[in-house]
Amino acid sequence: EVQLVESGGGLVKPGGSLRLSCAASGFTLSKYSMNWVRQAPGKGLAWVSSISTTSSYIYYADSVKGRFIISRDNAKNSLFLHMNSLRAEDTAVYYCASDYCSGGACYSFVYWGQGTPVTVSS
Amino acid sequence: QSALTQPASVSGSPGQSITISCTGTSSDVGGYNWVSWYQQHPGKAPKLIIYEVSNRPSGVSNRFSGSKSGNTASLTISGLQAEDEADYYCSSYRSSTLVFGGGTKLTVL
Repeated sequence: EVQLVESGGGLVKPGGSLRLSCAASGFTLSKYSMNWVRQAPGKGLAWVSSISTTSSYIYYADSVKGRFIISRDNAKNSLFLHMNSLRAEDTAVYYCASDYCSGGACYSFVYWGQGTPVTVSS
Repeated sequence: QSALTQPASVSGSPGQSITISCTGTSSDVGGYNWVSWYQQHPGKAPKLIIYEVSNRPSGVSNRFSGSKSGNTASLTISGLQAEDEADYYCSSYRSSTLVFGGGTKLTVL
């Protein structure tokens, strides 16, 4: 059974940092582009960042560019999101999600974690 | 990055069909076939139900179908069932990024 399990969320003050992790089991993470998607309380989905299979291609939403860093460790079947200079508007549940297509990207996310909540508040 | 435009809500009775629209631009929906649809029940992670405009992942009911015309994609759910009541989101590739629609709440009357 494929599982993605996020961790690392929590309460942080504005300007602070957090590191989210996503551990994959039941499938070979190295074969898939991976993504972070967030959902603010009561709001819709918002794409945050993506990383290709070998980390050669990395993209960010404008709202997090320069503050967030996505990375992956294929040997450990894990995905990460380093979040710096956090703002109140970054408050959301953060999901990791794998692309549907192996090898390349087809921009459809078939496997999702359960999400980890991040609250930015003083 | 502005979101794709979806109706805030739609409703239908059991057995009926409904269609949810997703309007973008020639830079996203109209320019690529990388349009997807997701179903999200309260408190749950989203579930992929349509990818590449009209393809269903394994295990997704054939009551769900997708299409596209110009800059507007559509999700049709036929034979509405109570368990279809959920939020639905479209997404599209846009210049090395991904953009979601604002979401549509489906109520099964």
